[in-house]
Formats: sequence, structure tokens, C-alpha cells
Amino acid sequence: SAVISQKPSRDICQRGTSLTIQCQVDSQVTMMFWYRQQPGQSLTLIATANQGSEATYESGFVIDKFPISRPNLTFSTLTVSNMSPEDSSIYLCSVVTSPSGGQYFGPGTRLLVL
Amino acid sequence: QKEVEQNSGPLSVPEGAIASLNCTYSDRGSQSFFWYRQYSGKSPELIMFIYSNGDKEDGRFTAQLNKASQYVSLLIRDSQPSDSATYLCAVDNYGQNFVFGPGTRLSVLP
Repeated sequence: SAVISQKPSRDICQRGTSLTIQCQVDSQVTMMFWYRQQPGQSLTLIATANQGSEATYESGFVIDKFPISRPNLTFSTLTVSNMSPEDSSIYLCSVVTSPSGGQYFGPGTRLLVL
Repeated sequence: QKEVEQNSGPLSVPEGAIASLNCTYSDRGSQSFFWYRQYSGKSPELIMFIYSNGDKEDGRFTAQLNKASQYVSLLIRDSQPSDSATYLCAVDNYGQNFVFGPGTRLSVLP
């Protein structure tokens, strides 16, 4: 497994602003992902954070809205840009520590956009 | 597009009973299957994974995989109120990412 931290744990933001969420892992991992989860809903994959290159985005998510960085094997950021109330959600970072292994999730960032 | 399906529930079982959670998947080539538990307000927690047909046991949990029928299940023996949570099934997408089901909400009644 891995110890994963996310910052901030929660935030309240005004529409039109941007928020950057950080994900830090205590060991090098093979894969990192960013998810969004609305209350009572399942997980929606936003993108795979690729080390040293552009993230791989899922359908419906674009780099201009959700820019992602992954400068090394233990750290990634997700920015939610030009926020609207529809972006209010829980944002989760997850990692895979070994091939064929499952994912481990960070504690999440609760975002409320007013 | 890969799909993973689960009954949303809620599934209610009395304390001490066996809870049976089911998941079906669309891609016959899928190889790795995972069960996560998510308590309300918390992030998902990996509890079981299974790669081969048959049963895999870990304490009170048993994962069952039937690739021919494309389903995977999770049995929880001697269910406790602390097992009340949402259980998510996930399937590996050829090493690229994971596809999650919508989750089944389990309620264990004292």
C-alpha cells in the first residue's frame, strides 16, 4: 500500500476562480489518477497523470479546465479552472503501487463552489 | 466502452448473516478484479482483488470470479453493523486505468 495525502482537504471557492489540489505519496508509484465523486455517486475518472508528460484525459474532461502536472513519481497536482457551482464535488487522487495491483486512494478534497 | 454493473441497493442483511454482493462486467478479456469499501464521507478502501477463476478468501471476505459468466462477487460472512458501507467493484482496463461500477450500498441491521 501507500500513504497518500491531499491538500487542501476542503475549500469553498467563488465561481470564476481556480483551485489547485496537491497529491503527495510516500513512495514511488507506477500510476496516478484523478477522480471526481459527486455525493452518493460512483467515481468518475478525470485523467491519468503521466510523469513528465501530458495527462491522459477521459471523455468529457479537457486540459484547459483540469490542467494536471506530475513532475515526479510521488507528486501530482490537479487544477480546477474557472470554477462553477457544477464543479462542487469530492476530488480524489489514487495511485497504483505495483503492476496488476489495485488502487489506493487519498483522503479526498471537498470542493464547494458558490 | 467497458461497463461494470452492480445493483445499487440498498442491500439489507441482519447482523451475523452472509451478505452477497454481485458485479458483472462487459469485456470478456478483463483479467483483474477489485472490491473496494467506501464508508460515508470517506475515500474508497481496497479490500480484495482476484485474478483467477474460483474463490479467494481473506478473513470474513470471499471473492468469487467466474470469467465464463463475466461476474465477480463478494461474500461477507458474519456481517457486522460496521460492514455497512458502499461496496465498489472495479475492473482493470488493460493496465491503463480502472473501470468502476456504481456501487452497492450495504446495510447490516443489528
